[in-house]
Amino acid sequence: QKEVEQDPGPLSVPEGAIVSLNCTYSNSAFQYFMWYRQYSRKGPELLMYTYSSGNKEDGRFTAQVDKSSKYISLFIRDSQPSDSATYLCAMSEPYSSASKIIFGSGTRLSIRP
Amino acid sequence: NAGVTQTPKFRVLKTGQSMTLLCAQDMNHEYMYWYRQDPGMGLRLIHYSVGEGTTAKGEVPDGYNVSRLKKQNFLLGLESAAPSQTSVYFCASSYSRLADQETQYFGPGTRLLVL
Repeated sequence: QKEVEQDPGPLSVPEGAIVSLNCTYSNSAFQYFMWYRQYSRKGPELLMYTYSSGNKEDGRFTAQVDKSSKYISLFIRDSQPSDSATYLCAMSEPYSSASKIIFGSGTRLSIRP
Repeated sequence: NAGVTQTPKFRVLKTGQSMTLLCAQDMNHEYMYWYRQDPGMGLRLIHYSVGEGTTAKGEVPDGYNVSRLKKQNFLLGLESAAPSQTSVYFCASSYSRLADQETQYFGPGTRLLVL
């Protein structure tokens, strides 16, 4: 079993829809959770990060962590065609080296105009 | 600032050939990383460096070597390429060692096809 599981998609939704992207994990020691956005033929870029449990909002994006279920989500409101990309979740234990970050395999998202 | 750059962008190799991928960063970061990205596998760490002159193995180091002779450059070498090394390779750098202190900045990637 992989430490981090992510549905690869592709996920196709109409413009303006609310998008929900999810990851599950098995290591209960993970406390730092990240979402990266990767446009086609580009490198990943950090979109949001959260610590431990709870929600974090940044504009149209909301990151949510449910540690009891070992489940994290990224919600995109009022989705735009420019949101079309692959979204990678990533996570690590507290105070761990960046070399220990575990990445999900990514979900490919397409927003239809 | 160019950030993290990678050379070449795309390369085709025959089995057994060798090549070097170059990563350069202009952010004065101490830490640099090489990942490979394969469908369904996510990003996997090959090797990393915690400073000039240092290297360390990551999750999937076999078949690769690295060198960090200058702080701004991190080279990834394939001595004898195999089809299993067909992948997209990403270099990243960060200021801090800790995952939750500083983000990693990724380069645009090198697509490698080994025939």
